[in-house]
Amino acid sequence: DTGVSQNPRHKITKRGQNVTFRCDPISEHNRLYWYRQTLGQGPEFLTYFQNEAQLEKSRLLSDRFSAERPKGSFSTLEIQRTEQGDSAMYLCASTLGQAEAFFGQGTRLTVV
Amino acid sequence: GQNIDQPTEMTATEGAIVQINCTYQTSGFNGLFWYQQHAGEAPTFLSYNVLDGLEEKGRFSSFLSRSKGYSYLLLKELQMKDSASYLCAAMDSNYQLIWGAGTKLIIKP
Repeated sequence: DTGVSQNPRHKITKRGQNVTFRCDPISEHNRLYWYRQTLGQGPEFLTYFQNEAQLEKSRLLSDRFSAERPKGSFSTLEIQRTEQGDSAMYLCASTLGQAEAFFGQGTRLTVV
Repeated sequence: GQNIDQPTEMTATEGAIVQINCTYQTSGFNGLFWYQQHAGEAPTFLSYNVLDGLEEKGRFSSFLSRSKGYSYLLLKELQMKDSASYLCAAMDSNYQLIWGAGTKLIIKP
């Protein structure tokens, strides 16, 4: 499968714990995006990378969120000290230039 | 500010035609995308318009008017499997996708 891959698919964690998600984009894609989506809403932009450089981060993103993309390949999104409001689907997408974005299957986070 | 507006929900009958409208306001414009999203799944790409006019792709067509900041997605010969949310997204001058909240399409037999 050469599509965008996200792990894990589901994560249940206790409030206050840290979680880390991984995204493996399509190999030749230079841009990688992280989005958060809640029920009945469109994807909400979190951050994006062009190759290994993090070019933009949403102003809505608190300091508890951090993302990396070492060597411009896979990316990780970490949430520290999780809160119940962090419960959502976390989507990763990759694209080559301004072409269409391809999404992974997402990681569904539940904070209890 | 940047904004995308689309109806929250629409209902149509199997075999019929439905048009989902989208209006957008963005800082610069690099194209308009439509995605389909089934419940619990990731969005999948349907169409891309950057020039005015109609793009046809099988049962699905998408239209763009840049001067009006308007697009629509036209679905013909509706099938039950077309029941999903349809997301409109405009790409701004920074190549960021600005997303609408999605239109939930319900298909009735």
